[in-house]
Amino acid sequence: EDKVVQSPLSLVVHEGDTVTLNCSYEVTNFRSLLWYKQEKKAPTFLFMLTSSGIEKKSGRLSSILDKKELFSILNITATQTGDSAVYLCAVGCTTSGTYKYIFGTGTRLKVLA
Amino acid sequence: NAGVTQTPKFQVLKTGQSMTLQCAQDMNHNSMYWYRQDPGMGLRLIYYSASEGTTDKGEVPNGYNVSRLNKREFSLRLESAAPSQTSVYFCASRSGGSTEAFFGQGTRLTVV
Repeated sequence: EDKVVQSPLSLVVHEGDTVTLNCSYEVTNFRSLLWYKQEKKAPTFLFMLTSSGIEKKSGRLSSILDKKELFSILNITATQTGDSAVYLCAVGCTTSGTYKYIFGTGTRLKVLA
Repeated sequence: NAGVTQTPKFQVLKTGQSMTLQCAQDMNHNSMYWYRQDPGMGLRLIYYSASEGTTDKGEVPNGYNVSRLNKREFSLRLESAAPSQTSVYFCASRSGGSTEAFFGQGTRLTVV
């Protein structure tokens, strides 16, 4: 059975701290790994990774994929209160040629001022 | 840019009632998805559709039906709502290849 596991489930830090969120997966026909940020409503897209070892970066956020060990990390440096959200990891995979996304349960990050 | 639009945003149903959640996208995407999100469970796939006229079951299809009548619209129907279907429902769409999914704003459904 395909599964995506995120850790930790929740995290409380202070502004300025650096955090690392983890995502491991076991899926057949892996195509991509995606990170989303969810505040109160719809998940918003952060990164998509398809190749091992290539870091994707956007401002204070960065992410990398290891396809051999089947995991990805999302780093957030110099955290701000606006980073408080649930961070979702999803794996894109194909079943009988049809593309779908399997989501983890998310990591709830709270950044204190 | 409307993106993915879901209606209604909120709904309260009594057990046994039926309703249809509507989803439309204006990005000319081929694939569309319905997910439900429950506390501590992440997003779980209910049904998906790779193209107009095709649908497939996801992880949790029981109690739901879907309809993809055209490329833009993908509806989710609850024939006889149960309290276990209380959840937030998200519709998403994707263009093709290894690309990201775009989400609607969600429908918060409560079944009493």
